[in-house]
Amino acid sequence: AQKVTQAQTEISVVEKEDVTLDCVYETRDTTYYLFWYKQPPSGELVFLIRRNSFDEQNEISGRYSWNFQKSTSSFNFTHTASQVVDSAVYFCALILYSSASKIIFGSGTRLSIRP
Amino acid sequence: DTEVTQTPKHLVMGMTNKKSLKCEQHMGHRAMYWYKQKAKKPPELMFVYSYEKLSINESVPSRFSPECPNSSLLNLHLHALQPEDSALYLCASSQEFGLNNEQFFGPGTRLTVL
Repeated sequence: AQKVTQAQTEISVVEKEDVTLDCVYETRDTTYYLFWYKQPPSGELVFLIRRNSFDEQNEISGRYSWNFQKSTSSFNFTHTASQVVDSAVYFCALILYSSASKIIFGSGTRLSIRP
Repeated sequence: DTEVTQTPKHLVMGMTNKKSLKCEQHMGHRAMYWYKQKAKKPPELMFVYSYEKLSINESVPSRFSPECPNSSLLNLHLHALQPEDSALYLCASSQEFGLNNEQFFGPGTRLTVL
């Protein structure tokens, strides 16, 4: 069975702190895709990153970085020097190559950045 | 134009009403999606259209009826809804069919069924 676990329901930090959002996934498939989406209070989901299972290279984009580790089935997301505008709900998601018609979301992590 | 628009933003309807949600994109995307999102939950996929044809129906009750009149427009017709259908309804599009593609989401329609 496929599953995505985001164990942190809510995180609150002060502006400029670093924060890591955890994502652990379960699948027996060897080919799959992992995503992170951000959902600000305005409602729309915003695509942040996609990784396929053969690309374990970590990614850095400005203040954001992603750490993909197949050995621990994790795809964690770090905000460096967080800003109030980062406040949102963040979803991690898994799609299997064998079933690109099914998307498995984690339950989401609500991140609040206090000024 | 990299935007997906949805109307209305808010909708309140009774259980006997018929209403429609509208979604539009002008990015030339060939796949469009409807999701339902209950409060504090992740989105749940409802329907997927690829090249204006219904490709996926995730066992959604028939009181929800999707329609794709053309490649830019996606409607969701609502009839005889139940209070538990109250949710945020999100529309999305992607360049090609397949959830492994980057999806662009609209801001959603917040539906309340009385």
